[in-house]
Amino acid sequence: AQKVTQAQTEISVVEKEDVTLDCVYETRDTTYYLFWYKQPPSGELVFLIRRNSFDEQNEISGRYSWNFQKSTSSFNFTITASQVVDSAVYFCALSEAIVNFGNEKLTFGTGTRLTIIP
Amino acid sequence: DGGITQSPKYLFRKEGQNVTLSCEQNLNHDAMYWYRQDPGQGLRLIYYSQIVNDFQKGDIAEGYSVSREKKESFPLTVTSAQKNPTAFYLCASMDRGRNTEAFFGQGTRLTVV
Repeated sequence: AQKVTQAQTEISVVEKEDVTLDCVYETRDTTYYLFWYKQPPSGELVFLIRRNSFDEQNEISGRYSWNFQKSTSSFNFTITASQVVDSAVYFCALSEAIVNFGNEKLTFGTGTRLTIIP
Repeated sequence: DGGITQSPKYLFRKEGQNVTLSCEQNLNHDAMYWYRQDPGQGLRLIYYSQIVNDFQKGDIAEGYSVSREKKESFPLTVTSAQKNPTAFYLCASMDRGRNTEAFFGQGTRLTVV
């Protein structure tokens, strides 16, 4: 069974500080996909990144970066020079590859509420 | 514009009544999902469907029912058997063939009064 753990329930940092959100996953598949989503106060989920299990390269997009390490089953998310607009709930998610038609699930972690203090 | 539409945005229900939440997508996605979110909690999977006329229970299916008669539609019925239905409900769809990201609707906030 697949599982995603986000151990940090809430994090608060002062604006311009860097912050890392942790994500640890469990899966028996060798092929899978990992995602990060942002949920602002309005409620909709905003897609941030997708990574497949064969691509362990770290990725940087502006102030956002992601560190994928299969050895520790982690997919951590770092915001550099945080801003007040980054305040939101962030979710990590796992999807196993299409190997058994009809059994694919998209599993989310419990989320981390990030508050950026001006 | 392509996307997912959930309606209504807010819904009030009396105890003991069934209610159906609508989810429509025009993205031509095969897979559709329903999630429940409670305050301070993550997204919990209720039901999901990979193809028309087929669906599977998620982690918290009790008290809910779904149908998938059309590719673009995946309505969720919250039955009177659901003991604590007040929550925020999110619908999502995904293109399984390319396993791209899941696209989400704006959600329906259901309140039992």
